[in-house]
Amino acid sequence: EVQVVQSGAEVKKPGESLKISCKGSRYSFTSYWIGWVRQMPGKGLEWMGIIYLGDSDTRYRPSFQGQVTISADKSINTAYLQWSSLKASDTAMYYCARVVMTTAGQYYFDYWGQGTLVTVSS
Amino acid sequence: QSVLTQPPSVSGAPGQRVTISCTGSSSNIGAGYDVHWYQQLPGTAPKLLIYGNNNRPSGVPDRFSGSKSGTSASLAITGLQAEDEADYYCQSYDSSLRGSVFGGGTRLTVL
Repeated sequence: EVQVVQSGAEVKKPGESLKISCKGSRYSFTSYWIGWVRQMPGKGLEWMGIIYLGDSDTRYRPSFQGQVTISADKSINTAYLQWSSLKASDTAMYYCARVVMTTAGQYYFDYWGQGTLVTVSS
Repeated sequence: QSVLTQPPSVSGAPGQRVTISCTGSSSNIGAGYDVHWYQQLPGTAPKLLIYGNNNRPSGVPDRFSGSKSGTSASLAITGLQAEDEADYYCQSYDSSLRGSVFGGGTRLTVL
């Protein structure tokens, strides 16, 4: 069965950098997009962006553009979400998920990682 | 404020039927874009429940069904069970955002 496995929880200070990962297996990694979704404490799901693993084409939600960087290394079937300078407001659970593209640019998320909890506190 | 609007909570007794609504606008559901539903059990990652408005992935019981009409969609759960207690989210595509949007989520309580 398809597996999506994320890196472990992180505790960081404001201003520090961070890169979390998402590894896919048991499917053709470069044929799919991977999406990142934020869930702040006690809140709902928020789409951040998606990346196509074949050519690293990336699309961001406008509010996250310039705040995070989504990248991938197809040689190791891994996608990344990166911050250059964390803020306390970045504290959240971050999920990655495999994206299924349908028609006219639409998509949904079929297999989800277990989530990576990022805590930013001084 | 989420782009898609869901009731914060719904409840029902075991065996009953409940529905969860998801209301959008002319730039998402009303534009004809598909609606998908996810179940998030406490302390776990979301799980795909319904895709393409009314399709169930393998392994999802047929007690769960989806529908869409106009600018709204609904998730129906029949024969309610204790293990259905979770948060439920709808998701669609929004042409103004040029990306995915989620509803705010609905907490289902099984009485």
